[in-house]
Amino acid sequence: QVQLVESGGGLVKPGGSVRLSCAASGFTFTDYCMSWIRQAPGEGLQWVAKVGCHDSAISYADSVKGRITISRDNAKNSLHLQMNSLRAEDTAVYYCARGGVKRFDAWGQGTLVTVSS
Amino acid sequence: DIQMTQSPSSLSASVGDRVTITCQASQDINNHLNWYQQKPGKAPKVLIYDASNLETGVPSRFSGSGSGTDFTFTITSLQPEDFATYYCQQYENPHTFGPGTKVHIK
Repeated sequence: QVQLVESGGGLVKPGGSVRLSCAASGFTFTDYCMSWIRQAPGEGLQWVAKVGCHDSAISYADSVKGRITISRDNAKNSLHLQMNSLRAEDTAVYYCARGGVKRFDAWGQGTLVTVSS
Repeated sequence: DIQMTQSPSSLSASVGDRVTITCQASQDINNHLNWYQQKPGKAPKVLIYDASNLETGVPSRFSGSGSGTDFTFTITSLQPEDFATYYCQQYENPHTFGPGTKVHIK
């Protein structure tokens, strides 16, 4: 079955960096756009970034543009999110999700990034 | 960016009730709207896509309608497992979620 497993979250100091990863299985990874979506504690959902099937068509939410980089490794069926210059408002659960053109039809369990000194 | 609003922000209902949630877009998004359910501590799950299409495996008590800027999500007979938060999401440009509607037990 479709499985998405995130890793890499944790406590990061303001201004610091973190790299999130998502291991995908149970489907043909190269057939799908992939996205990162985040949810601050007690808040709603915010789409962060997406990458097309072959690393093309990358786009970012305005609130994170310039500070994050999404990438995919099709050979390893993995998705990554490099986040730099982290701020307190980046504290959230980060979900890896299948999709990015229309609907997000599969989600991981999420990984929590906490930005605090 | 396209802004999404949802109404109400929360509601209390009983098992068997009909529940309706509305979602409004700040500009015309055609039928480019999806609905998700999220339970505490869990990832969201898509229920309705393209405004009115039921995702595979989702019970038929869930439905959606609308086009343009105004959309409706309905649960015809609320079940115990339906108490959750529901989000609309537009994918016209690029992706925005509504603020959510929490459905409580009355």
